[in-house]
Amino acid sequence: EIVLTQSPGTLSLSPGERATLSCRASQSVSSSSLAWYQQKPGQAPRLLIYGASTRATGIPDRFSGSGSGTDFTLTITRLEPEDFAVYYCQQYSSSLGKFGQGTKVEIK
Amino acid sequence: EVQLVQSGAEVKKPGESLKISCKASGHYFTSYWIGWVRQMPGKGLEWMGIIYPGDSDTRYSPSFQGQVTFSADKSVTTAYLQWSSLKASDTAMYYCARLDASGSYPDYWGQGTLVTVSS
Repeated sequence: EIVLTQSPGTLSLSPGERATLSCRASQSVSSSSLAWYQQKPGQAPRLLIYGASTRATGIPDRFSGSGSGTDFTLTITRLEPEDFAVYYCQQYSSSLGKFGQGTKVEIK
Repeated sequence: EVQLVQSGAEVKKPGESLKISCKASGHYFTSYWIGWVRQMPGKGLEWMGIIYPGDSDTRYSPSFQGQVTFSADKSVTTAYLQWSSLKASDTAMYYCARLDASGSYPDYWGQGTLVTVSS
């Protein structure tokens, strides 16, 4: 069973700063099987990135995904006020995908 | 426009049964997997499993096998999640989500159904 570990648990940044979020898998994950989601309080998750690096429809280009094997990264180049949220990675290389525990990006 | 509209919040007592729904529209219901995700209060997302409405093929994550039942009714394009005997630990928000065309990642999500189990 693949375990996804996200770090840091909380990231305190100011608007305009760059955010770098990490997702590490306990064993190699196909790059085509890694997604990132954003969840704001009281809302359902929203798909940001799939296939490790492909932005979903309507996602601004300040969001980018990269990585392969066991190490994946979500980068937000310039944080906007609406980007402060919790971010989850998910692997779906099996039909029973697993989520990481989440990284909270909070306003410093 | 793809939409998943879930049934409203529920308050139940331990031992009671419950069935919540996820009404799909804007896509071919029988051609896309539907997944269910649990989020306990203040916690992260947990993948419960998936169902293919076309033939009701169902796959449960080990933690949820035997604890819940997925079903789907093609005639009303609705997926269901049910419990036969609720526990206090089932208190959570439950989301349904449509998986993409390849059956991989959730690309559209319902708004969630809050289930509260309390005596």
